Amino acid sequence: DIQMTQSPSSLSASVGDRVTITCRASQSISIYLNWYQQKPGKAPNLLIYAASSLQSGVPSRFSGSGSGTDFTLTISSLQPEDFATYYCQQTYRTPALTFGGGTKVDVK
Amino acid sequence: QVQLQESGPGLVKPSETLSLTCTVSGASISITNYYWGWIRQSPGKGLEWIGSFYYRGNTFYNPSLNSRVTISVDTSKNQFSLRLGSVTAADSAVYYCARNYYGSGHYYMDVWGNGTTVTVSS
Repeated sequence: DIQMTQSPSSLSASVGDRVTITCRASQSISIYLNWYQQKPGKAPNLLIYAASSLQSGVPSRFSGSGSGTDFTLTISSLQPEDFATYYCQQTYRTPALTFGGGTKVDVK
Repeated sequence: QVQLQESGPGLVKPSETLSLTCTVSGASISITNYYWGWIRQSPGKGLEWIGSFYYRGNTFYNPSLNSRVTISVDTSKNQFSLRLGSVTAADSAVYYCARNYYGSGHYYMDVWGNGTTVTVSS
């Protein structure tokens, strides 16, 4: 199995901050990496696919980068609605997908 | 607008079989480029992929659950179902169904149901 490790597991930030979340794969996965946002009591919502492609309807303050084993999700200016938990997901070994453990972004 | 809705018992006894159904509206499950599948999330835990299928008959399961899980499809009702046998408390979770897009070598879950909570307890 391909293991996905996110860091940090949680972070505190303020509105307007630039936030960066990292995801590392246990082996190279090229750009087969997605990012999801999940708010409490809700289903995950796709933000980024193929490492850096923004899903339709997702604000441009979200961006993704990386390839191989190291990936980053960046929120350029954190908004109140962005406080949530973020998950990465590898799709290199489809359909045997695996998710990262999540990064919770809360209010500083 | 594509919508998915999970349904099924919220309480299952240990050692019994968990059965859930996902009803899809706004799109046919028999279309190219889309898999359909199940994901679960245990309380306070992360996301775990359970399995996915393609309407032409390919079905894939998480190896850690493979011996206990079956996904079936009813195209006439535009529904697909999950069965997980021999459940224990560790199978208590929120269960989501989701549409999985597959194209140009990329794969992602672009539409999710709201999720349904299943508790395993006697």
